Amino acid sequence: QSALTQPASVSGSPGQSITISCTGTSSDVGSYNLLSWYQQHPGKAPKLMIYEGSKRPSGISSRFSGSKSGNSASLTISGLQAEDEADYYCCSYAGSSTWVFGGGTKLTVL
Amino acid sequence: EVQLVESGGGLVQRGGSLRLSCAASGFTFSTYRMHWVRQAPGKGLVWVSRINSDGSTTIYADSVKGRFTISRDNAKNTLYLQMSSLRVEDTAVYYCATEGSGYFIDYWGQGTLVTVSS
Repeated sequence: QSALTQPASVSGSPGQSITISCTGTSSDVGSYNLLSWYQQHPGKAPKLMIYEGSKRPSGISSRFSGSKSGNSASLTISGLQAEDEADYYCCSYAGSSTWVFGGGTKLTVL
Repeated sequence: EVQLVESGGGLVQRGGSLRLSCAASGFTFSTYRMHWVRQAPGKGLVWVSRINSDGSTTIYADSVKGRFTISRDNAKNTLYLQMSSLRVEDTAVYYCATEGSGYFIDYWGQGTLVTVSS
């Protein structure tokens, strides 16, 4: 299983919106609406932000939204805040009870 | 509140073995599928293994197949990862995590560091 493709880094100013892309294949992202996004601050455990492509767990701000089209997915963060600065990972179910993560994207809030 | 606490990490020589544990609390452990995910220093997350709720079905990433064994003791609310024939490239923080109701990984422990020396 090859890792999903994410940009290494993105940046934005407070209050702006940013989008992080996640590209897979027809065997993973394209086959299932089972794409999740995680936020990870340095030295901390990942935290689920989006699941099943666009659903937010309880307690996650509506500033975070997800979408999917074909073999690609996106995480959009609106109204950027300083505390959003972190690494973000996408993850897709890949069939046969296996999962694949993206390489991660470092978000810098300028 | 869901709590997952990993332990058992440490320094081991190449070719050696180590068993990781993950103590679960705050939820009905025996009804949840569980995962191990690892993260090499400065690198991204990599899925390692998954076990179903009663322990009867396990699956592994190709990189660890035949060397790692995932298991669980539902009476003790504990998940395990037995690692053998360890390689330098297995050096990573190992996280245990729960699987949500729809094939997604949701709650994570704080991780335990495994360092394999050459």
